[in-house]
Amino acid sequence: DAKTTQPPSMDCAEGRAANLPCNHSTISGNEYVYWYRQIHSQGPQYIIHGLKNNETNEMASLIITEDRKSSTLILPHATLRDTAVYYCIVRSLPGYNKLIFGAGTRLAVHP
Amino acid sequence: GAGVSQSPSNKVTEKGKDVELRCDPISGHTALYWYRQSLGQGLEFLIYFQGNSAPDKSGLPSDRFSAERTGGSVSTLTIQRTQQEDSAVYLCASSLAGGNSIIYEQYFGPGTRLTVT
Repeated sequence: DAKTTQPPSMDCAEGRAANLPCNHSTISGNEYVYWYRQIHSQGPQYIIHGLKNNETNEMASLIITEDRKSSTLILPHATLRDTAVYYCIVRSLPGYNKLIFGAGTRLAVHP
Repeated sequence: GAGVSQSPSNKVTEKGKDVELRCDPISGHTALYWYRQSLGQGLEFLIYFQGNSAPDKSGLPSDRFSAERTGGSVSTLTIQRTQQEDSAVYLCASSLAGGNSIIYEQYFGPGTRLTVT
């Protein structure tokens, strides 16, 4: 699976959008971009995934560049409960493949 | 419905003892995964089971670690002759099977915090 690069930490004011970048310059055509987050003392939680089109769900939006070498996770209105470590993971088929976690980005949302 | 559950939530054991950690996956999920997270370390894959296929044990750190999955549901991770470096949070996840054309997200349990003294 392709390696990903994320900033180690970011800050965001409550109510503002949090934009978390991820570089995956060696991604191949059949690899998906996945985002998980881990709130302190909990197991990781799935957020969103995409292949090449932008995706949106009730939690977040995922913007993937046209060349697919980078992506951005957007939390449109961050709350204090969004404080967590966010992991960008590139996954290939088959669908039961294991997750390879990097160091992630520690997002701190402050009042 | 019910999520992934793990037991115990905390386990303190003496060095050299054996421990068993249990995972109950979401009903209907045929894929089951074990990960661990050491203090200050990232999440590390250990093993996964997919249906009746041979498990992928490529992440197990030593032959003191083993896991089984009975009846395609509950899984037990066993660590023999525990060492202090085994201290970590052990996380279990499950997912639908997926395949060669689709990936399903993994749902994680709350983890078992293992402390070896």
